[in-house]
Amino acid sequence: RKEVEQDPGPFNVPEGATVAFNCTYSNSASQSFFWYRQDCRKEPKLLMSVYSSGNEDGRFTAQLNRASQYISLLIRDSKLSDSATYLCVLEYGNKLVFGAGTILRVKS
Amino acid sequence: GAGVSQSPSNKVTEKGKDVELRCDPISGHTALYWYRQSLGQGLEFLIYFQGNSAPDKSGLPSDRFSAERTGGSVSTLTIQRTQQEDSAVYLCASSLVGTNEKLFFGSGTQLSVL
Repeated sequence: RKEVEQDPGPFNVPEGATVAFNCTYSNSASQSFFWYRQDCRKEPKLLMSVYSSGNEDGRFTAQLNRASQYISLLIRDSKLSDSATYLCVLEYGNKLVFGAGTILRVKS
Repeated sequence: GAGVSQSPSNKVTEKGKDVELRCDPISGHTALYWYRQSLGQGLEFLIYFQGNSAPDKSGLPSDRFSAERTGGSVSTLTIQRTQQEDSAVYLCASSLVGTNEKLFFGSGTQLSVL
């Protein structure tokens, strides 16, 4: 089983839509969780950390379910500029393990 | 510097040649990571440095791969006797202390082995 699993998508949504991605992980010892965003042919950039109580940053909401070992990202009121690959990331020992990513395409 | 700098941005080499990839992390960042990303794939962890030491080399794919970091700053990833399957984007990232913090990535080195 992969350490981090994501639905590769693509998710094709119209502007203004709400979209959610899930990510499951296998290592229950992981302590830190993140969502990164990667634009085509660019390097990944941190979108937001994921806290146990759930957290929100503008249109983005992240949640962590330790019991079921998954994290989620909700994007409200999608914009064209949200089109990217969203990477689920967790800390495991001395490294950050990246999922393969979920592709989001927002269309007008 | 303002961000993580990697060089070269592109490298084309022939199978069997050695290549050296360089990473200049953000000044003051003690943690440095190397990842690689093949086309359409996720990031594959290669190695992690804390200062000049590498507590985790578990991701290096074979003994053809090695990395060093000197002066707690610049790091070099060396691939000996390159193979076609080594073709990928090699990404370097740094953070202030460790893995529970934001990673800042360089723009990567696109390696193509012919």
